[in-house]
Amino acid sequence: NAGVTQTPKFRVLKTGQSMTLLCAQDMNHEYMYWYRQDPGMGLRLIHYSVGEGTTAKGEVPDGYNVSRLKKQNFLLGLESAAPSQTSVYFCASTRKQTGVNSPLHFGNGTRLTVT
Amino acid sequence: EDQVTQSPEALRLQEGESSSLNCSYTVSGLRGLFWYRQDPGKGPEFLFTLYSAGEEKEKERLKATLTKKESFLHITAPKPEDSATYLCAVQGSSNTGKLIFGQGTTLQVKP
Repeated sequence: NAGVTQTPKFRVLKTGQSMTLLCAQDMNHEYMYWYRQDPGMGLRLIHYSVGEGTTAKGEVPDGYNVSRLKKQNFLLGLESAAPSQTSVYFCASTRKQTGVNSPLHFGNGTRLTVT
Repeated sequence: EDQVTQSPEALRLQEGESSSLNCSYTVSGLRGLFWYRQDPGKGPEFLFTLYSAGEEKEKERLKATLTKKESFLHITAPKPEDSATYLCAVQGSSNTGKLIFGQGTTLQVKP
């Protein structure tokens, strides 16, 4: 039972390079989220999706794009990486709208360094 | 604007020394308050959901309580394996489907 799987686990980019982070869940969850975690800042929501083919902006969406072509996958793209995007990125999913009996399930993160 | 503040930032306890972590929040129309545990190098792991003032939830040595302004995570007779960062998050009626997280409290329990 894999749950939420994130790839890659680590990545180093140079300023201006692009990359895609992949999140896959095998729990048939409708909602998926991308968060970034920085020291002293807590988890901040980047983008989220309420179902296949849908995406929406979160708290800190600038510099990122997302796609949800398949229900089980949620991709986070950085078109032109900047040092300010150095962070740990977490994907999460939930069966339905977070709330009653529907907590977030997190992956183990992608550690991204932009030099 | 919904906001969550956790205190202290860091807490060191001796094994068996009970204490509490605080989560203060301001939110328009609380739909739920969530506690997560995060181990180094891992993603957060769900512990509890609280929905209304006066509610309490327990799991092993942990007990979470909720008032109209804050939540406490009480740790009774902690063990070294309870060492982790504990995150609090709220969902308000104006942020349907989205959680606002606090910065976390890092707990270290020494044997």
